Amino acid sequence: DTEVTQTPKHLVMGMTNKKSLKCEQHMGHRAMYWYKQKAKKPPELMFVYSYEKLSINESVPSRFSPECPNSSLLNLHLHALQPEDSALYLCASSHLASKTSYEQYFGPGTRLTVT
Amino acid sequence: AQKITQTQPGMFVQEKEAVTLDCTYDTSDPSYGLFWYKQPSSGEMIFLIYQGSYDQQNATEGRYSLNFQKARKSANLVISASQLGDSAMYFCAMRRRSSNTGKLIFGQGTTLQVKP
Repeated sequence: DTEVTQTPKHLVMGMTNKKSLKCEQHMGHRAMYWYKQKAKKPPELMFVYSYEKLSINESVPSRFSPECPNSSLLNLHLHALQPEDSALYLCASSHLASKTSYEQYFGPGTRLTVT
Repeated sequence: AQKITQTQPGMFVQEKEAVTLDCTYDTSDPSYGLFWYKQPSSGEMIFLIYQGSYDQQNATEGRYSLNFQKARKSANLVISASQLGDSAMYFCAMRRRSSNTGKLIFGQGTTLQVKP
C-alpha cells in the first residue's frame, strides 16, 4: 500500500475561522511533510517531521500550526488565514529523511480557498 | 546554491511518439538523488523515477527512463510511446545526502500535452 490520504479534498474558510487538514499514511514512514502549492508552480516545503518531531519549519507564519500525533498522522491547523493562503496543500511521507534514495509519496491534496 | 532548472514551460508531443523533458541541476554535494514527479490536473504528485548520483546506469521504469549525464549535471526524463494520459505537469527534483531533513528542491515544472 503506497497511499497517503488527505481530508478534506476541498475546504472553503473565512479569515476568522479555525480549521484543520488531516493526512494519514500506513507505509511505516517516519518522515512526513507539508507542502503548499500555488497554481502552475512547484510545491513549497512548509514543515518536515522526523520520528514525530518537527525538524524543519520553513519560516511559515504562525497561523499555520502543524501537529504529528503519531507516526501515521499529520495535521495542519489553520487559524486567521489570509486570502493569499489559498492554495493546494499537499502532504507527503517517506522513509528515513536522511536517505537520498527514499522517494516521497504524496497525497491527493486539499484545495483551500480563503474568503 | 542548490538549484533545479527546467527550461521548457510547455511541450507538445504526438500520441505514440517519444518525448524528452529537460532538467539540469546545480549542487556541490557529491551525494544526491534526482527524482521526477508527474502531477495531473487532479493535483496528486505521482513519483515516476529515481536516479542516484553514484548510480552507474540510467534508471528505467516502464515507459520512463532517465538520461543521466553527471558531468553535464543533467537528468532528462524520456517518455516513450506517449499516451493521452501522460498529459500533465512534470517536476524534476533533487535531494542532497547532506540534508538530513529529506528536503526536495523542485524545478519550475514542464507542462506536457499529448495530442491524439
